[in-house]
This record gives sequence, C-alpha cells and structure tokens, in this order.
Amino acid sequence: GAGVSQSPSNKVTEKGKDVELRCDPISGHTALYWYRQRLGQGLEFLIYFQGNSAPDKSGLPSDRFSAERTGESVSTLTIQRTQQEDSAVYLCASSLQAGGPYNEQFFGPGTRLTVL
Amino acid sequence: AQSVTQLGSHVSVSEGALVLLRCNYSSSVPPYLFWYVQYPNQGLQLLLKYTTGATLVKGINGFEAEFKKSETSFHLTKPSAHMSDAAEYFCAVSTYNQGGKLIFGQGTELSVKP
Repeated sequence: GAGVSQSPSNKVTEKGKDVELRCDPISGHTALYWYRQRLGQGLEFLIYFQGNSAPDKSGLPSDRFSAERTGESVSTLTIQRTQQEDSAVYLCASSLQAGGPYNEQFFGPGTRLTVL
Repeated sequence: AQSVTQLGSHVSVSEGALVLLRCNYSSSVPPYLFWYVQYPNQGLQLLLKYTTGATLVKGINGFEAEFKKSETSFHLTKPSAHMSDAAEYFCAVSTYNQGGKLIFGQGTELSVKP
C-alpha cells in the first residue's frame, strides 16, 4: 500500500479483556516500530523489529504486552488483561531499515484504544 | 539513555508572528534529532531532521531548526506563522546504537490566532 495502515482505528474494550492491534507496514520496509501515545503526552517507544533479528522489547511496559511480526510483513500488538491505564493511541511506524540517520520512520494513523 | 524536554506544552502566536518551539535533549553519544508534526486527526509527519554536518536544517512548510551542541538544544522556528501551522509538534532523538527507536518529548501544541 501507499502508507502504513493500522486496524482497527478505534477499539473499545472492557477491563480484563485481551485486544489485538494490527499494523501493515510499507512494502519493502524491514523495520517496524510500535509506540504508545497517552492523552496529552508524547510518544513512548514500545518495541521494534528489524528483519529476522530478535526484536528490541525494551519499551514494553509489562508482560501483558507482546508483539509479533511475520517476516517483513504484518505485525500484531497484543495486550492481555487490559487495564484502564492501557487506554491510549497505539502508533505503528516502518522504515527501510532500523537505525541510521537516513531511515525515516513513516507513521500510521494509529489505533485509539479505550478500556472501560 | 536519551531524553527530550520540550518547554511549553502550549504556545500561542498571532498569524504572521515568529514561531519558536523549544527542545532540549540529553544524550551520551552524538544524537540524531527530529521534529515531527501531528495535525488534528492525522498521523505524524516528519518536518525536519539533523543527522550530521550543517547545524541549521530546513524542513517543509518554511520551518527550520538549529542544532546547538553546547546548549543541547534543537529549537524549531518559522519566521511567519500561518493559520495552517496549528498542530502538535514533537521533538525526538535517536542515536546510531539504538536501532532507530525514537525518544519523544511531551509535545507542544501550537495555536495560531488570526
């Protein structure tokens, strides 16, 4: 596709439920990043994937959060046993490669998650 | 570890006035610095970036920023604000050894008054 796409655009769930968020990166981009944007705050790095290398999970806030990526395609971010503090916009970005100054990250429109 | 501080969560200027959005960073290794803009109900868009070389960088829509190592700053400016500049602006830092992950500031919301 022309850009990074994410689905769903909005997700409302009840506390304690599991949710899956999906990201489709730009074709050919080997690096994929997940960020979280809480209301009124900046973006927090969660995790990134680069090709077949082990992902950098250093930003995941708890073991309730996990993410997978199949090859260089779609990624899913899973949040188990959701809590109200998980309410945020989850943003995905992709770039040709990870790292270096010339690999611009292109962001998707985000998934707005609301935990009731 | 890296960090970014944006001074002022909200800045308001009149149309035609100078825009100045402040960003200070902390990094133990040479940083790459970025400004992103987020228009209402839209995704983040890269405005400009500093990597190496010339410390004054120009971006889209007439914005520019200057990397000042001695002040650990990367302030964003535009000589004359336009109504269409109203948006949220984020400063971010990454380094060569962090796989490209971006560390963002808290953001500054820019309002432009007619």
